[in-house]
Amino acid sequence: DGGITQSPKYLFRKEGQNVTLSCEQNLNHDAMYWYRQDPGQGLRLIYYSQIVNDFQKGDIAEGYSVSREKKESFPLTVTSAQKNPTAFYLCASSRRGGGGTGELFFGEGSRLTVL
Amino acid sequence: DQQVKQNSPSLSVQEGRISILNCDYTNSMFDYFLWYKKYPAEGPTFLISISSIKDKNEDGRFTVFLNKSAKHLSLHIVPSQPGDSAVYFCAGLNSGGGADGLTFGKGTHLIIQP
Repeated sequence: DGGITQSPKYLFRKEGQNVTLSCEQNLNHDAMYWYRQDPGQGLRLIYYSQIVNDFQKGDIAEGYSVSREKKESFPLTVTSAQKNPTAFYLCASSRRGGGGTGELFFGEGSRLTVL
Repeated sequence: DQQVKQNSPSLSVQEGRISILNCDYTNSMFDYFLWYKKYPAEGPTFLISISSIKDKNEDGRFTVFLNKSAKHLSLHIVPSQPGDSAVYFCAGLNSGGGADGLTFGKGTHLIIQP
């Protein structure tokens, strides 16, 4: 079945360590996104990518990095520079970036906890 | 500056009654609005959308109303069921603008009481 797969679902990290969250989609979508969810904060955009080898910063990109070497994959690295990394991270994709109804398809999320 | 506002963090409704979730927006360039439903520790799932050229869209128990002059939309769920208990996010899209996807509100936690 087509969909978006995020891994790992739960991740623990010590302060000062970088960690990479995986996001893979087999929907043949061009656009992919990373959001962060915190209680009472809704969904905030970290990074997005419209095509392979191109990505743009979202509203809260500081302390994060991404790559888009393949259409299907959009990994997110949470670096040690991110001051408050404990959160629920959501990856999403859409058929066309900025066009159509804009419906996003989300993965199941990854819960990162910094110890 | 919040472009999409959901002013009620939570809402409690009795099973079988109507649930009304509200959303206000400030960006006049939004031409689509979407509602997502989210359970804890899961990704949001698309529920229903509406184009800015319409004032109503209905899908089963779910109806979304759009009042462009007031920059206000609402989601009606009738009748409310226990499985509707979740967080609901309202989102706006400017399809002709930047390619950064949807702008989400902070969500409303709907609790359906038996």
